[in-house]
Amino acid sequence: AQKITQTQPGMFVQEKEAVTLDCTYDTSDQSYGLFWYKQPSSGEMIFLIYQGSYDEQNATEGRYSLNFQKARKSANLVISASQLGDSAMYFCAMRPDNAGGTSYGKLTFGQGTILTVHP
Amino acid sequence: GAGVSQSPRYKVTKRGQDVALRCDPISGHVSLYWYRQALGQGPEFLTYFNYEAQQDKSGLPNDRFSAERPEGSISTLTIQRTEQRDSAMYRCASSFQSVFGVQYFGPGTRLTVT
Repeated sequence: AQKITQTQPGMFVQEKEAVTLDCTYDTSDQSYGLFWYKQPSSGEMIFLIYQGSYDEQNATEGRYSLNFQKARKSANLVISASQLGDSAMYFCAMRPDNAGGTSYGKLTFGQGTILTVHP
Repeated sequence: GAGVSQSPRYKVTKRGQDVALRCDPISGHVSLYWYRQALGQGPEFLTYFNYEAQQDKSGLPNDRFSAERPEGSISTLTIQRTEQRDSAMYRCASSFQSVFGVQYFGPGTRLTVT
């Protein structure tokens, strides 16, 4: 079974500052993927960034980077130069990537962190 | 369209009625997933398909819930004899492939059972 833990129910950051959203995970799978999604107040789920468990380099997508520490089982999201439009709920998720299993496509989500960006 | 679409966007139904929720995935996406999201929580997996084959239905809460994808494209999630506890946001996602593919979500259907 897989488990995602996001321990920060809410985070506040000043506009233009950087912020780190924490995510730890637990899995017995050897190969897995880690994801971050953004859910603004409008309710949509927006894919932000992906990290494969065998990727040696941390993933980056524009202002988003994923600080992947495999030994510590953490996959923190770093948002640089925060903008007012970054205010949203952020979900960390993982998926087993062992082809052949019946649940290898299934995403398991954490409880989410609400980020508020102050002007 | 370019993204995943779902209909209806909002559905209010009386307890005991059946409802059918539709998902139209991104064109060419092989895999289709259904999730349920309670307010303030992360989505929870219900079931998924590769093409028309239902690969995993372990997340369906009970036998009142069923899903199909008969032609490997559009999918329907059906809830029979709805109960108030079924009220939630039902989200559909699709990916080009199930392994290593990013899942892109639709806008969801907000179901309210009165």
